[in-house]
Amino acid sequence: GQQLNQSPQSMFIQEGEDVSMNCTSSSIFNTWLWYKQDPGEGPVLLIALYKAGELTSNGRLTAQFGITRKDSFLNISASIPSDVGIYFCAGQLTGGTSYGKLTFGQGTILTVHP
Amino acid sequence: DADVTQTPRNRITKTGKRIMLECSQTKGHDRMYWYRQDPGLGLRLIYYSFDVKDINKGEISDGYSVSRQAQAKFSLSLESAIPNQTALYFCATSDDGTDTQYFGPGTRLTVL
Repeated sequence: GQQLNQSPQSMFIQEGEDVSMNCTSSSIFNTWLWYKQDPGEGPVLLIALYKAGELTSNGRLTAQFGITRKDSFLNISASIPSDVGIYFCAGQLTGGTSYGKLTFGQGTILTVHP
Repeated sequence: DADVTQTPRNRITKTGKRIMLECSQTKGHDRMYWYRQDPGLGLRLIYYSFDVKDINKGEISDGYSVSRQAQAKFSLSLESAIPNQTALYFCATSDDGTDTQYFGPGTRLTVL
């Protein structure tokens, strides 16, 4: 079953506002990834995190790997209309049976009003 | 050219029909995956393959089968389609030793 809780499920914001979303779990993850899916397309990788506490930026995007290894957040600063889409967190759980597999959050639907 | 391609992009079929979705990649990756996406549920793993001779069931494999014809090709079959298999299906690839997966553009399947 689903082991990642992603929130919020949806966000409606004005252009220029900052956005924050997060994923939490009761399980420990080795890796956290953040993807964005544009309408009619497959998910595209935004940021990858490999160490607890790691803070990584990619342009206006910043993501962190939580110290407990059970959570991660993604921030988008100064949102623009092309930020619209579905954002997914994904992670690889610890444990041999999870090798090479990712668990995905339910997604956050972001709408940006000009 | 896209690194991961899926065919068809859209398909409408009837209950009971056999359907095959195809995935090809030019990334040279050994690992390939099939997911389905439903609103509010994220992506769920159907099957995965770490090399040509390796096939593994994922979280929701019932009603599906796969074939890894070559390193570059991984197909998903629905032997007898049913309406609750209506979904968006994605193929993904990754390189050995990394967790990062690269996704195809998806196939929108509707079963009437």
